[in-house]
Amino acid sequence: DIQMTQSPSSLSASVGDRVTFTCRASQSISSFLNWYQQKPGKAPKLLISSASTLRSGVPSRFSGSGSGTDFTLTISSLQPEDFATYYCQQSYSTLTFGQGTRLEIK
Amino acid sequence: EVQLVQSGAEVKKPGESLKISCKGSGYSFSTYWIGWVRQMPGKGLEWMGIIYPGDSDTRYSPSFQGQVTISADKSISTAYLQWSSLKASDTAMYYCARASDLLTGYYSEFDYWGQGTLVTVSS
Repeated sequence: DIQMTQSPSSLSASVGDRVTFTCRASQSISSFLNWYQQKPGKAPKLLISSASTLRSGVPSRFSGSGSGTDFTLTISSLQPEDFATYYCQQSYSTLTFGQGTRLEIK
Repeated sequence: EVQLVQSGAEVKKPGESLKISCKGSGYSFSTYWIGWVRQMPGKGLEWMGIIYPGDSDTRYSPSFQGQVTISADKSISTAYLQWSSLKASDTAMYYCARASDLLTGYYSEFDYWGQGTLVTVSS
């Protein structure tokens, strides 16, 4: 099974900051990498698919990059509604999730 | 509008059986995969397995193989997740989610999610 490792596990930041999350796969997954946002008590929401494709309705301050084994999710200017937990997921084979990165208000 | 509507919260005792459901609407249910995801209290997302309702092709995560059964009835656009003997450690929120078929034998990201079904197992 492909393992997904996210770093950091938590991150404190302020409104307006630029933040970057990292996700690493245990083997190459090409660009089969997706990012989700989950707020407390809610179902996850798909933000980015295929490593860098912004989904419809997702603000342009979110962006994704990477291929192979190393991927990043960047929020260019944090907004109050962005404080949540972010998960990466590989869809190269099966659909393994990373353990998540919790984004907290500083 | 694509919707996945899950059955309501359940409270069960250890050893009991349970079947929860996920009904799709607003799209061709048979031609998309439906996956199940577990989230234990305060923990992350775990992919459990996935089914293609069109032909009932079912894949399980090794962690959940033999522990649960995934099925679907395409005639009523509903997928199911069931346990034959619940344990306290099955207490969690369970989500269903839709994935596209990539025509490669695999599937895409989860683009639509159900609202979740909370399962509590306690004596």
